[in-house]
Amino acid sequence: AAGVIQSPRHLIKEKRETATLKCYPIPRHDTVYWYQQGPGQDPQFLISFYEKMQSDKGSIPDRFSAQQFSDYHSELNMSSLELGDSALYFCASSEQGSLIANYGYTFGSGTRLTVV
Amino acid sequence: DQQVKQNSPSLSVQEGRISILNCDYTNSMFDYFLWYKKYPAEGPTFLISISSIKDKNEDGRFTVFLNKSAKHLSLHIVPSQPGDSAVYFCAARAMYSGGGADGLTFGKGTHLIIQP
Repeated sequence: AAGVIQSPRHLIKEKRETATLKCYPIPRHDTVYWYQQGPGQDPQFLISFYEKMQSDKGSIPDRFSAQQFSDYHSELNMSSLELGDSALYFCASSEQGSLIANYGYTFGSGTRLTVV
Repeated sequence: DQQVKQNSPSLSVQEGRISILNCDYTNSMFDYFLWYKKYPAEGPTFLISISSIKDKNEDGRFTVFLNKSAKHLSLHIVPSQPGDSAVYFCAARAMYSGGGADGLTFGKGTHLIIQP
């Protein structure tokens, strides 16, 4: 079965550079969530989109922005990168109609961003 | 302020015995709770969930118990198997009025080690 695809798997950037992470949800999933997990930390919710509209916002810095496209894939854009942005970035997807029965979001394998 | 707390960073259990992972929460708006299992370099994998209207949900070797008055939930794994060794995250979601795609709030995780 198709899973949530994230690209790239690994990314190394210098301070003050920009980075774009991509997430391709499971087919028919209309909701995408972004999480950030720092070293030794729990995943922190950043932002979510439902039907291409931002639906919820968590602890996403102003330097970051995200959007969901017509094919439901999502991109997380990160500018003016800082050393503290080094983390594992997870994307998860779900289908709104399934949430009532099962809140089990499906996560991708993550993108490991290293800022040097 | 950590709204979802997993106070045991690690837990060691002998193969075949019962593993009990605990989770406490503070937000009374949480109405759905989930457990995720995570291996290194992979995204969290949904394990089991429970709605706040229930006090128990069972799926094979996994059972989740919810005590709303104590704001406490636990995951029981019996019998424990070597493949269960992983980090287990407790997560919760608040259903705000009108629903919506709200992000999950995670605990910091418990590293479960199953010893042969």
